[in-house]
Parts: sequence; C-alpha cells; structure tokens
Amino acid sequence: AQTVTQSQPEMSVQEAETVTLSCTYDTSESDYYLFWYKQPPSRQMILVIRQEAYKQQNATENRFSVNFQKAAKSFSLKISDSQLGDAAMYFCAYLLGAGSYQLTFGKGTKLSVIP
Amino acid sequence: EAQVTQNPRYLITVTGKKLTVTCSQNMNHEYMSWYRQDPGLGLRQIYYSMNVEVTDKGDVPEGYKVSRKEKRNFPLILESPSPNQTSLYFCASSFRRPPYEQYFGPGTRLTVT
Repeated sequence: AQTVTQSQPEMSVQEAETVTLSCTYDTSESDYYLFWYKQPPSRQMILVIRQEAYKQQNATENRFSVNFQKAAKSFSLKISDSQLGDAAMYFCAYLLGAGSYQLTFGKGTKLSVIP
Repeated sequence: EAQVTQNPRYLITVTGKKLTVTCSQNMNHEYMSWYRQDPGLGLRQIYYSMNVEVTDKGDVPEGYKVSRKEKRNFPLILESPSPNQTSLYFCASSFRRPPYEQYFGPGTRLTVT
C-alpha cells in the first residue's frame, strides 16, 4: 500500500519569506500523480498544485512550486513571498490513477505566517 | 458554477439514530468518494464509486453505507452512528481520466453523542 509522509507537523514563516514543506511517499509504481492541497480555517480543501510523475519538469503555480525528486520519492512544496492568506494546513497526496483513483493523504503540515 | 455540495454542513446527533449526509456534483464526474478527516490522521477514504451502481470500500468503511443510483449523487449513510464516527466528512469527485483532479465539497462536521 502506498504511504505518504509529512515529517513537519507544524511550520512557521515570516511574511514575504520563503518556506518549504516536505513530503515523501512510498510506491512501487512508475506512473502516478502527486498533489498539494491547502485547507484554510474554512476547512475547504483547495488544490494548490499537481505533478504528473512522468513529467520531469517541476510544476509551478504563481508563488507555489514543487521540487519533485522521483528517485528519492520526494515531493516538497515551496511557497515564495509568503502571505498571511497562506496560513493553513497543507496536505500532500498521492494518486495512482488509471484504475485506482484513491487519494492517499499525508497527515498534514500546519503553516503559520508571522506578520 | 462547477461544484460539489454537501448537506448538512453541521450535524449533532445521538448514538444509534440513523442519518444520511448528501453529496451532489454538477460536473458529470464518474468518480465520487467519501473521506473522513480526524486530527493527526489526515484524510482517509471511506467508500468510493467508479460510476452509477458501482461502489467499493476504502480504507475505513466500517459503520458506513453508500449508494450511487444517479451519477450526480453519492449519499453517505450511517445506520447506527457511534461516538467514534464524530469527524469531519468530505465528499469529492473527479473524471476518470488525467489529471484525476478531485474536487471537494465544503465538508460536514458530524458530532455523535
């Protein structure tokens, strides 16, 4: 079974600074998908960024980017120019796709942004 | 607006009183799923459905039932709720093709006393 590990239960960052959230996963598959979801205090699950394992190029969405290291099974999220609105729980998730659509989540990292 | 809706958003009930949490999506998604979120455990899948009349167990199915009679709806049924089912519940849906992005409902906070 696939597992997703987020080793940092809590992190903090100064406003306007950069922070990196870690995620590792365990799989024997070669074709899969990785996601970062944000959960603000409203509890809504919001997709931040996704990465297809077959793509070597790291995904980027505005201030959010990932460092995808397939051999190391690592998928970290970098938030640049942190804003107060970035404060939330962040969940890393793995999906095998094509026949199995189950999202396997890590336990989350709570990010605080200090003004 | 493309969305997943859940009702109710908040529910307090007593042990043993049957309840249903509804989930509906307007995106014509084939795949739908229920998750529960508990502190320190992340989100765990309860049940999922690949399409109408096709459902299967996820990682934590005990105490829950589901049905998929229509493509847009996927209700979660607790026939005899217990306090250990107190949790935050999410419904999600997606297409069965890449990039498999799942859209989540707003969540239902359930308390069983």
